[in-house]
Amino acid sequence: KAGVTQTPRYLIKTRGQQVTLSCSPISGHRSVSWYQQTPGQGLQFLFEYFSETQRNKGNFPGRFSGRQFSNSRSEMNVSTLELGDSALYLCASSYGQSSGNTIYFGEGSWLTVV
Amino acid sequence: AQRVTQPEKLLSVFKGAPVELKCNYSYSGSPELFWYVQYSRQRLQLLLRHISRESIKGFTADLNKGETSFHLKKPFAQEEDSAMYYCALRSYNTDKLIFGTGTRLQVFP
Repeated sequence: KAGVTQTPRYLIKTRGQQVTLSCSPISGHRSVSWYQQTPGQGLQFLFEYFSETQRNKGNFPGRFSGRQFSNSRSEMNVSTLELGDSALYLCASSYGQSSGNTIYFGEGSWLTVV
Repeated sequence: AQRVTQPEKLLSVFKGAPVELKCNYSYSGSPELFWYVQYSRQRLQLLLRHISRESIKGFTADLNKGETSFHLKKPFAQEEDSAMYYCALRSYNTDKLIFGTGTRLQVFP
């Protein structure tokens, strides 16, 4: 079956703009989480959604937001982009929030803010 | 506080040499520990989880609760093992993963 799919794969934005990234989880998966990967900070947890509800949120400013739809697809939005938001944004999915579920990652969306 | 520490940024070995990638964690409760691997230009993928107690691609990892460690080991490294390795901890009953900073393994021929 298809893996976690993220779009767009690459994008360039200007400071102050906003961006929306999309994630389609593996079929049947109801849990979607997002991570930011940068050379300096490594992999950092952004937020987690299960059945359209945000269950966990990382330590990121309010400019970072997300949502999950009834078909489990998820989007994350970053408003008022800053240079420091340049990163690889990874989406991950699993069947649900219990021990034993494997979490699968997408290839990521590369965001460059200029 | 929940934390995962990987003390080595880079580990270089020759083919056939033993490998040990270190991981220490801090977590109040019973953690679920993982090793993820990222090969060049590929997505992050699960290598091992502590609850499975299995060997994947010759790698093993044992959870030591006394030392709060989950070191990844392989007796004989192969060139194809060259990749970025991340140790991660999952909070109970969530999909929130806390990652270490990663260790780049380079295996020379």
